[in-house]
Amino acid sequence: EAGVTQFPSHSVIEKGQTVTLRCDPISGHDNLYWYRRVMGKEIKFLLHFVKESKQDESGMPNNRFLAERTGGTYSTLKVQPAELEDSGVYFCASSPKPTGFFPKAFFGQGTRLTVV
Amino acid sequence: ELKVEQNPLFLSMQEGKNYTIYCNYSTTSDRLYWYRQDPGKSLESLFVLLSNGAVKQEGRLMASLDTKARLSTLHITAAVHDLSATYFCAVDRDGGATNKLIFGTGTLLAVQP
Repeated sequence: EAGVTQFPSHSVIEKGQTVTLRCDPISGHDNLYWYRRVMGKEIKFLLHFVKESKQDESGMPNNRFLAERTGGTYSTLKVQPAELEDSGVYFCASSPKPTGFFPKAFFGQGTRLTVV
Repeated sequence: ELKVEQNPLFLSMQEGKNYTIYCNYSTTSDRLYWYRQDPGKSLESLFVLLSNGAVKQEGRLMASLDTKARLSTLHITAAVHDLSATYFCAVDRDGGATNKLIFGTGTLLAVQP
């Protein structure tokens, strides 16, 4: 079974440009999460989708970040325009719908974003 | 605000030695997670601890949870080079089970031959 996959693995862009990160969750997982780790700091929750709906986007840093999950399958996270402080590693995770014991999330390998 | 503090941030140890990583969190939580990350790889779930006094072991790693002290430990026994990685603890942000996690800063473990 394929795990959570993220594209690209690395991205280097100039300040002011736009970047779109993609996450393909494990097939059939209703829940999809975005996290990011800014250099030297802890991994922070950004938002949570249940299928195509945003259930919680309280961790999104500002309105330059836009997440979508079309059709409840893959998700994209767009940063527009990118700023230097957006550099970091962006992780995606997914988990199935709970049936009894609450399932843990499975993480992707992350996208390393560098804004120069 | 829920905080998760992990120490040490960096740990260099020799093969064969024992050591412990500590994880303190600031509010009640139903579950505590330990993850491992190798460079460029995904976060791999090691343990999920659900109750006070819970202890789980996998190979040379043993995790425990004291919910009264809000403390979890990850003990490494007779370290080997393959254990070199970054280890994170995390608790659920809402205190329950939502997978919206608050992570510690991570402990970079380097096991020297």
